[in-house]
Amino acid sequence: AQKVTQAQTEISVVEKEDVTLDCVYETRDTTYYLFWYKQPPSGELVFLIRRNSFDEQNEISGRYSWNFQKSTSSFNFTITASQVVDSAVYFCALKSGGGADGLTFGKGTHLIIQP
Amino acid sequence: KAGVTQTPRYLIKTRGQQVTLSCSPISGHRSVSWYQQTPGQGLQFLFEYFSETQRNKGNFPGRFSGRQFSNSRSEMNVSTLELGDSALYLCASSAGPAASYNEQFFGPGTRLTVL
Repeated sequence: AQKVTQAQTEISVVEKEDVTLDCVYETRDTTYYLFWYKQPPSGELVFLIRRNSFDEQNEISGRYSWNFQKSTSSFNFTITASQVVDSAVYFCALKSGGGADGLTFGKGTHLIIQP
Repeated sequence: KAGVTQTPRYLIKTRGQQVTLSCSPISGHRSVSWYQQTPGQGLQFLFEYFSETQRNKGNFPGRFSGRQFSNSRSEMNVSTLELGDSALYLCASSAGPAASYNEQFFGPGTRLTVL
């Protein structure tokens, strides 16, 4: 069985602060992929990043960065110098077991950036 | 490239009725997956279609069914609606089948309300 845990239900910070969203996953497979999606109030899930289990390099894309650590089964997401437009629900997701069962999502973290 | 489109965006039905939702994937994408999003259960995988064949199905009753046409457009049907079927139904499009681990691009969703 696979599982994704996002322990932070809601995070509220003031604009320009850095914020880290935690994601812990469980899977017995050695081949798997991890994803982050952003869901703004409009409802559409926006793809942010995909990372496979064989690539533990951290990734940076503008103000966004991701820290993948297999030793702790974590795939955390950091937003640097947050902006009001970053306010959304963020989902971490896992696909493993040959990918046949679709994405397994965490419950999501509601990020509120206050001006 | 146009994104994933879903119609209708909003739907209100009464218990016992049936409903059909439609999804048009990104041009060139042959895989369509459906997800149900509710406040209680979060995002859950319903099923995936690739080349007009259902490849995988999540843990949902037989009242939930779907199909895919030769142009990759997909429809999802829910029969004998129950109050608990009220949810945001999201469609995701991917270039390859689920087992290929390609990232999935989501549509805006159809919000179904069952009264």
